[in-house]
Amino acid sequence: DTEVTQTPKHLVMGMTNKKSLKCEQHMGHRAMYWYKQKAKKPPELMFVYSYEKLSINESVPSRFSPECPNSSLLNLHLHALQPEDSALYLCASSPLWTSGENEQFFGPGTRLTVL
Amino acid sequence: SQKIEQNSEALNIQEGKTATLTCNYTNYSPAYLQWYRQDPGRGPVFLLLIRENEKEKRKERLKVTFDTTLKQSLFHITASQPADSATYLCAPYNQGGKLIFGQGTELSVKP
Repeated sequence: DTEVTQTPKHLVMGMTNKKSLKCEQHMGHRAMYWYKQKAKKPPELMFVYSYEKLSINESVPSRFSPECPNSSLLNLHLHALQPEDSALYLCASSPLWTSGENEQFFGPGTRLTVL
Repeated sequence: SQKIEQNSEALNIQEGKTATLTCNYTNYSPAYLQWYRQDPGRGPVFLLLIRENEKEKRKERLKVTFDTTLKQSLFHITASQPADSATYLCAPYNQGGKLIFGQGTELSVKP
């Protein structure tokens, strides 16, 4: 299984809501990533987990809270978001984090709209 | 600061021709550079990786070059097809353990 799955595909939330994005992979990868992508822009790294520990936080606002419950799952908890947080949220995984030789496998993304 | 530049304008070519996409980077020296393809509304898909000690890499109709002196990578698609139409992202790997994506070049192949 060489697939990264993400749920939900689409999410509409108000600024006072709390929601979560989920990501799953069963390739045995030990690195997992969250990216944010706005229209016509490249993916921007938000968080990196390596061996289930947070290794990189790219100064992301605290209204985004990542969680890695086990080696196959990655969550992104959302709270009190702003309309400018509307974007495509991509999850990715790779065998290891600190190796540029590892390709990243991306999920299809969650299209988030904040009203 | 580290900067990556790809052809800013969309590239329109005729089916059967060779598409050449450019990726220039400044202020760092990546040991690896990856290329991805992204279709609208979908996640990027890995295409090729090239190491700093490799001048050229090929995979089927795809070819990537890496010139560490010029700080440039070129991505070629030969015998292009309408199905090759997509956005292509270059991603040099930096020492901090991150792939830094360029803004992408949108390729359109007309029949």
